[in-house]
Amino acid sequence: GENVEQHPSTLSVQEGDSAVIKCTYSDSASNYFPWYKQELGKRPQLIIDIRSNVGEKKDQRIAVTLNKTAKHFSLHITETQPEDSAVYFCAAGSSASKIIFGSGTRLSIRP
Amino acid sequence: EAGVAQSPRYKIIEKRQSVAFWCNPISGHATLYWYQQILGQGPKLLIQFQNNGVVDDSQLPKDRFSAERLKGVDSTLKIQPAKLEDSAVYLCASSWDLNTGELFFGEGSRLTVL
Repeated sequence: GENVEQHPSTLSVQEGDSAVIKCTYSDSASNYFPWYKQELGKRPQLIIDIRSNVGEKKDQRIAVTLNKTAKHFSLHITETQPEDSAVYFCAAGSSASKIIFGSGTRLSIRP
Repeated sequence: EAGVAQSPRYKIIEKRQSVAFWCNPISGHATLYWYQQILGQGPKLLIQFQNNGVVDDSQLPKDRFSAERLKGVDSTLKIQPAKLEDSAVYLCASSWDLNTGELFFGEGSRLTVL
């Protein structure tokens, strides 16, 4: 079955700097890779997703890259702001396989 | 549009007792998921429904957990008897597409087993 590994587990960056979170997946049939943000005590919410027919997707300060050959994908947040502090989860899935989440990265933005 | 509704938000029980959680997905969403999120970990899929049929329940501890989705809308997740390690947030989510579209999560039901 699918296994998703996520690194790092915690990340602290200076406000205004960039943050990068990396994930690897095991099932080569996976073709959908969403990223969720979970603020303390709240529900996970989708921030960006990418499908396997593209290598990169960007939405304002957030971008995701996908390397299908290496089976890894990354989340990039530029010009970080205090409100970016949260736990971020990557996930992988396909129409034939359930969506599996990574273990999460706790991102802290230092003022 | 109304989001995914879950109840109760909080439940405290003693081990060996039973508990049930309820979920009402977004109207029209055919796929419904129950995830278990233990503190500090990512959501772990327990069971997935497509309409009223089970798509995946491979990680559901069937000796104590059960779930149903009668009429393909609301769903209930039951734990009987509960163990200490069942303490977690139980998240319900729904989506339009099977495994390739946005999951809309409910607020979750936080279970504490004493």
